[in-house]
Amino acid sequence: QSALTQPASVSGSPGQSITISCTGTSSDVGGYNYVSWYQQHPGKAPKLMIYEVSNRPSGVPDRFSGSKSGNTASLTISGLQAEDEADYYCSSYTSSSTPYVVFGGGTKLTVL
Amino acid sequence: EVQLVESGGGLVQPGRSLRLSCAASGFTFDDYAMHWVRQAPGKGLEWVSGISWNSGSIGYADSVKGRFTISRDNAKNSLYLQMNSLRAEDTALYYCAKGQDCSGGSCYSFDYWGQGTLVTVSS
Repeated sequence: QSALTQPASVSGSPGQSITISCTGTSSDVGGYNYVSWYQQHPGKAPKLMIYEVSNRPSGVPDRFSGSKSGNTASLTISGLQAEDEADYYCSSYTSSSTPYVVFGGGTKLTVL
Repeated sequence: EVQLVESGGGLVQPGRSLRLSCAASGFTFDDYAMHWVRQAPGKGLEWVSGISWNSGSIGYADSVKGRFTISRDNAKNSLYLQMNSLRAEDTALYYCAKGQDCSGGSCYSFDYWGQGTLVTVSS
């Protein structure tokens, strides 16, 4: 069982918006602004999409945005495109002695 | 261009050892923390271990503590993971990942990843 809870799957049509949630506790998501989101296409390495809750690395489209409320972080993808179909993982710093960060179980995004 | 290339994976029997390596290029290696993150077949991501730029701070997931040892050689731009007493549940794709620095220090994220090296523990 993963430390952070994500829905197993979400779907949307091209052009629509979707939101993926990531629920933790006050020891991780709720207590720190160190939530990240990763995109992983089949057979590929994860790619950082969002860091520090809402910051985008250079090169990530502004269709991707992040936010947080209480113990739940969210990734929103607007203007869905076919290439957005992938697995998405959230992660957060945790104040537990270990591990360094905890991940969510991942969400499979299907673009219909 | 940042590149991280893992090697050393393979098929190993339970209880045996394996040493993974990660060759880094395209950035100033000794400026950054480095990490190992694994992914079991068909499963999610799990942080395994991390090491600070000068090896002064090291951490391990509970699942590998006492069995795995992380190290780095800044002169060779290389990261290592010595894995002892391997178990079937250690079977996974092991990724080398660069720790991201933000203003004020680490932002506890990984901005570059290698393609991974597969470790299979089976008799």
